[in-house]
Amino acid sequence: GAVVSQHPSWVICKSGTSVKIECRSLDFQATTMFWYRQFPKQSLMLMATSNEGSKATYEQGVEKDKFLINHASLTLSTLTVTSAHPEDSSFYICSATGLAGVTTYEQYFGPGTRLTVT
Amino acid sequence: GDSVTQMEGPVTLSEEACLTINCTYTATGYPSLFWYVQYPGEGLQLLLKATKADDKGSNKGFEATYRKETTSFHLEKGSVQVSDSAVYFCALRRSGAGSYQLTFGKGTKLSVIP
Repeated sequence: GAVVSQHPSWVICKSGTSVKIECRSLDFQATTMFWYRQFPKQSLMLMATSNEGSKATYEQGVEKDKFLINHASLTLSTLTVTSAHPEDSSFYICSATGLAGVTTYEQYFGPGTRLTVT
Repeated sequence: GDSVTQMEGPVTLSEEACLTINCTYTATGYPSLFWYVQYPGEGLQLLLKATKADDKGSNKGFEATYRKETTSFHLEKGSVQVSDSAVYFCALRRSGAGSYQLTFGKGTKLSVIP
């Protein structure tokens, strides 16, 4: 149980275009989802926290107009990188927490999405 | 604020060697402590956890004991395998109702050679 998927697993896009990454909880309802960014050989940087049906809370220094997060349902959150540039290339990881059928407060991580902007 | 400090890598060991990755933390109250493992090209997997002082988390031959007196949660394994090659992250979660956010260390890359 407690499986989180991400799609796509990797994506290459051209500079100036937008790309959407999906995060799904497959067997539980995710009341809260987190989006992280991981630079090569570095730790995870929390970008934002989203609760179903409400606006995401962004960490300091993260541009909310560039990284659009939508948590429209209890099983799906999306991260859209708008007008992507090469410096947005990174590994993006989502995680989810739930209240029923999973360990409360524990984050379950997706497998990550490798974004390369050319 | 909360912080996690873990030993810098990379760490290279021969198969069947002993492993210790040090982790210390700074936090108020009684946080829960975690070790996550990240295999190449993949997301994070929970390896083990401990939620209170003196608890020992264990999984797949790895162990870590929550030491409040030294604010440490060192990861140990008696005999590593090539398949243990990965990046290991120590993390804490602040105690309290509604507390979900994790604070991660910088990660330690382990390479095990045959």
